[in-house]
Amino acid sequence: QVQLVQSGAEVRKPGASVKVSCKASGYTFTTYGISWVRQAPGQGLEWMGWISTYNDITNYAQKLQGRVTMTTDTSTTTAYMELRSLTFDDTAVYYCARANAAAGTDDYWGQGTLVTVSS
Amino acid sequence: DIQMTQSPSSLSASVGDRVTITCRASQSISTYLNWYHQKPGKAPKLLIHAASSLQSGVPSRFSGSGSGTDFTLTISSLEPEDIATYYCQQSYSIPQTFGQGTKVGIK
Repeated sequence: QVQLVQSGAEVRKPGASVKVSCKASGYTFTTYGISWVRQAPGQGLEWMGWISTYNDITNYAQKLQGRVTMTTDTSTTTAYMELRSLTFDDTAVYYCARANAAAGTDDYWGQGTLVTVSS
Repeated sequence: DIQMTQSPSSLSASVGDRVTITCRASQSISTYLNWYHQKPGKAPKLLIHAASSLQSGVPSRFSGSGSGTDFTLTISSLEPEDIATYYCQQSYSIPQTFGQGTKVGIK
C-alpha cells in the first residue's frame, strides 16, 4: 500500500535551518511528484511547493522563495524539504503528499512533522 | 493567487442530517477543485477530486458538485466519524490554494 513516512519532530532556534524527510513506498516513486504543505498551530493548510520526482523541476510558493529547497533521492525513494532562516512564524506541522498530476490531487499524505522554532 | 473562500466557517448538525459546505474561487477554476477532511492530529484525507469524483474508498454519502467559481460538498447523512475540518483546494494554477476550512461538529 502507498505510504509516506516522515522524519520526527524538530526544534530549532530562530535563524537556523531544518530538513524534513519523506520516505515513499508502495508505488513507483518517479511516477508522481511530491507536494509539501504546512499548518501552523490552530490554522489552515498552506501549500509550500512541489517537486517532480522525474526531473527535479520545482515550484515554490512565492513567500518562501529563497528560503526553501525541495529535493529527492530516487535511490532511496525519499523526498526532502529544507527551510532556512527560520522565524517563529515557521512553527508548524509540515506534511508531504503524493502529487497526482493527472488528477490534480495530493492523494496520499505523510503523518506530518512538527517543527518548533523557539529561542 | 486564486483565493478560495469557504462557508460556513463552522457548523453543528445532528447525526443523520444533510450537511452542505460551499467553496467559492476568486476566478474560474473549471473543475480543478478538491475536497479534503482533517481530523484532529491527523493528516488531511482526500475525499473528492475534480469537483465531483469520489476518491476510491470514500463513503458514498460524500458528494461534490460545481464548476467555474462555485462548488459544494454534501454529506447526505452525517455520521459521528465525519467530525472534522473540511478544506477545499484549487489545483487550477500554482500556487495551489486552500480554503480556510469548515469545522463540522455534532449537535
